[in-house]
Amino acid sequence: GESVGLHLPTLSVQEGDNSIINCAYSNSASDYFIWYKQESGKGPQFIIDIRSNMDKRQGQRVTVLLNKTVKHLSLQIAATQPGDSAVYFCAENSKATDYKLSFGAGTTVTVRA
Amino acid sequence: NAGVTQTPKFRILKIGQSMTLQCTQDMNHNYMYWYRQDPGMGLKLIYYSVGAGITDKGEVPNGYNVSRSTTEDFPLRLELAAPSQTSVYFCASSGHQNTEAFFGQGTRLTVV
Repeated sequence: GESVGLHLPTLSVQEGDNSIINCAYSNSASDYFIWYKQESGKGPQFIIDIRSNMDKRQGQRVTVLLNKTVKHLSLQIAATQPGDSAVYFCAENSKATDYKLSFGAGTTVTVRA
Repeated sequence: NAGVTQTPKFRILKIGQSMTLQCTQDMNHNYMYWYRQDPGMGLKLIYYSVGAGITDKGEVPNGYNVSRSTTEDFPLRLELAAPSQTSVYFCASSGHQNTEAFFGQGTRLTVV
């Protein structure tokens, strides 16, 4: 079964607002958690990762938070833009499983103008 | 910079036919992967390889075979196509520890 799963399959956000996409995981031995973005008709694209010994990591307009106590991961997108409309996947990997990526089901984010 | 290249982009197969989905990468990555993505769903790992000459099964390997004779190429073989194999197939590659995987554009396969 899946080792990562998302809370909500869809999210509608007003342009300019912040987006929060959530993900739950079950594998306590995961080494990395990763967020990918998939635009329509394209392959997934890496956004940001976080090592399991970290709580927070920031990138350009994105922040990933990791709460190991409740096994929860979130991706925050600041000032959401129309180009952020896509499907977002959380993924995890671990040394124990050859670092192969295991993906959740995805959240479709739609940005309203 | 080609990255990961998949061919073909689209294919229609009849039940029982065979085909090979090609995947090549020019980034000298050790890790390569094949995923399938059904409509509205996430990516399921079919097979993966951590280096030339090494392949391993993923979550959904039945009905597929792979080979990894070179670092660059990782073809996926369907021997007896079934309607359940209708899907979009993605090949990906990454360096060690694999957090940033690079995906191809996908192959949309329909089995009728």
